Amino acid sequence: SQQGEEDPQALSIQEGENATMNCSYKTSINNLQWYRQNSGRGLVHLILIRSNEREKHSGRLRVTLDTSKKSSSLLITASRAADTASYFCVSGGYNKLIFGAGTRLAVHP
Amino acid sequence: DVKVTQSSRYLVKRTGEKVFLECVQDMDHENMFWYRQDPGLGLRLIYFSYDVKMKEKGDIPEGYSVSREKKERFSLILESASTNQTSMYLCASSLSFNSNQPQHFGDGTRLSIL
Repeated sequence: SQQGEEDPQALSIQEGENATMNCSYKTSINNLQWYRQNSGRGLVHLILIRSNEREKHSGRLRVTLDTSKKSSSLLITASRAADTASYFCVSGGYNKLIFGAGTRLAVHP
Repeated sequence: DVKVTQSSRYLVKRTGEKVFLECVQDMDHENMFWYRQDPGLGLRLIYFSYDVKMKEKGDIPEGYSVSREKKERFSLILESASTNQTSMYLCASSLSFNSNQPQHFGDGTRLSIL
C-alpha cells in the first residue's frame, strides 16, 4: 500500500491537554499536508509543510517533518472539545496526494 | 472562501441502477477530484479532471465514469450500481494540478446501494 499511516489510530484526551499525532509515509514527497474531518463532513485543509521545511506553526497547530525518517507529527496545543475530529496526514508527491487512514481525536470537556 | 457543493448528503439506490453524483465548485478551479472514503482505508481517488472535458483515472476507477462539461461541475457516474459501491463519496477541487495546492472538499454524499 502507498498510503501513509497515522499513529495512534485513536486518541482520547481532556480539554486543555496537548494532542500529538504521528504520520509515516512511503514515497518521496514535495510536501506533507494535514487535514481535519468532522464527523459526517468533508475534509478541511489545516496546514502544509514543504519537503525543505522542518517545522511550521499555525495558531495552536505545530507540524514537524523529518524527510530522512519519512515521518511527520501534528501537535495541537491546549485542545478544546471543538477539536474533536479525525485528522489525516496527506503526502504530496508529483501531482498526487496520498491519504492516510486518519487519527480519531476525542477531546473531553 | 471556496465552496464545493455536492448535490446530495444521503442517497439510497438499488443494485443495477445508474447513479449520478453531482459536484459544483465556485472558485474557477482547474482541477476537480472524486474520492471514496471507507473505514480503515482512508480516501481513495476514483477519477480526476484537470480541465473541461479532460479526465484521468485514479486508483480505483472500475465501475465508475465521470463527466466534466463545464469547468465548475464534475459528475461521478456509477454505470450499474453494486452493493460494494456503498460508501462515502467526496468531491474536491484545487487551483492547479500541483500537489502544493490544498484541496477543498465538499461535505460528501453517503451512498447506500441496496
